[in-house]
This record gives sequence, C-alpha cells and structure tokens, in this order.
Amino acid sequence: DGGITQSPKYLFRKEGQNVTLSCEQNLNHDAMYWYRQDPGQGLRLIYYSQIVNDFQKGDIAEGYSVSREKKESFPLTVTSAQKNPTAFYLCASSIAVNTEAFFGQGTRLTVV
Amino acid sequence: DAKTTQPPSMDCAEGRAANLPCNHSTISGNEYVYWYRQIHSQGPQYIIHGLKNNETNEMASLIITEDRKSSTLILPHATLRDTAVYYCIVREWNNDMRFGAGTRLTVKP
Repeated sequence: DGGITQSPKYLFRKEGQNVTLSCEQNLNHDAMYWYRQDPGQGLRLIYYSQIVNDFQKGDIAEGYSVSREKKESFPLTVTSAQKNPTAFYLCASSIAVNTEAFFGQGTRLTVV
Repeated sequence: DAKTTQPPSMDCAEGRAANLPCNHSTISGNEYVYWYRQIHSQGPQYIIHGLKNNETNEMASLIITEDRKSSTLILPHATLRDTAVYYCIVREWNNDMRFGAGTRLTVKP
C-alpha cells in the first residue's frame, strides 16, 4: 500500500531528552517536509528536503535537526535545545513543485 | 511567511455552495495556487491546485482571477463532513510549501 507513514502516533519524553520522529514514504517522491502545528494554529515549516543528502531550514528550524540519507526517509530529531517541543508534527512528501503533497497522519509529541 | 491571506472563519449551510476566498497579491508567474484541508487532528488533505486557468475535480472548483492575485475555492454542495480548516498556499519555485492560518469552515445543518 503506497503512502507516507509517521511513527509513532503519540510520543512522550522527559524534558532534556532528544527524540527522533520517523517519516517514511514509498511514493518515490523527491521532496519531503516537516511541519509543526500548535493548538488552533496553522502549520509551520521546520525543514524541507528536495533531494537525497540535501535539506534546507524552514521558518522554525532552531532546536531541530534532520537527515536525508535515503530517498524514502526523512527523520526529524527534536533536540533539548528546542524550548517548547510539545506539539503535533506532520511530515509530507511530493514529486515536484507543481504536484500535490501527501501528508502523514502526524505524531503528537508531549514533553513532560 | 505565508504569502496568502484568508478569512479566519466562515459558516455555510448544508447543501449550499461554500465559497472560500484567498488573496495572494504577490504571486509570481510560475507559482501555483494549492488548496488543502485539515480535519481535526489529521494530516492535511489535498483538494485542488491551479496556475491560471479555473480547475474542477470531484471535490471542488478553483476560480483564479485573471490577474492571479486572488482565488476562490468552491465546494458546490457542502456537507457536514466538509467542516474543516482550509488552507490556501502559493507554491514557491524552490519547492518549499508554507501554510498560513487558514479558514475554519463550519457547515451547519
């Protein structure tokens, strides 16, 4: 079944710990994205990648890191430097600029 | 920053057409207009996109003004399941994708 998968759906971590969110797609898409969404707000772009081994910062990259070693995978690490990490995180992928993006179902991270 | 402006909320009666406006006055010639919607706590769902011509698919119609500075998403017969936040996005050349706050559409019986 083709699609984009985020795991886990819910994640709890203690303050000060790094945590990595998984995003995998089998759609053969070149571009992948990470967004953060806070309650009642829109999506804010954290990082995006147009191609393997390349990625760019979005609007709120501080405290986050990514890697793109494989086309199908774009993991996001929330580091201890992120001051307010509790949020809903969404991953997306697309073929190219003039095609639609597909979203995963999100990971809800809670830091206590 | 997002390059679009949308009203924060709208209501629509069930069975009637829902017309959601979007302003994108700084759009450039190669940028597409995309619409997505997000139902609570789910990932956004693609609806439709266009460059300069009007577009229609099984979900909606997209009307883009001749100067391309604004567009309207039309849901021809809104149902209760169309209640969601609708995002209008202008897709930039370098393939990133920035969302604004969107319009919260409430379809009422």
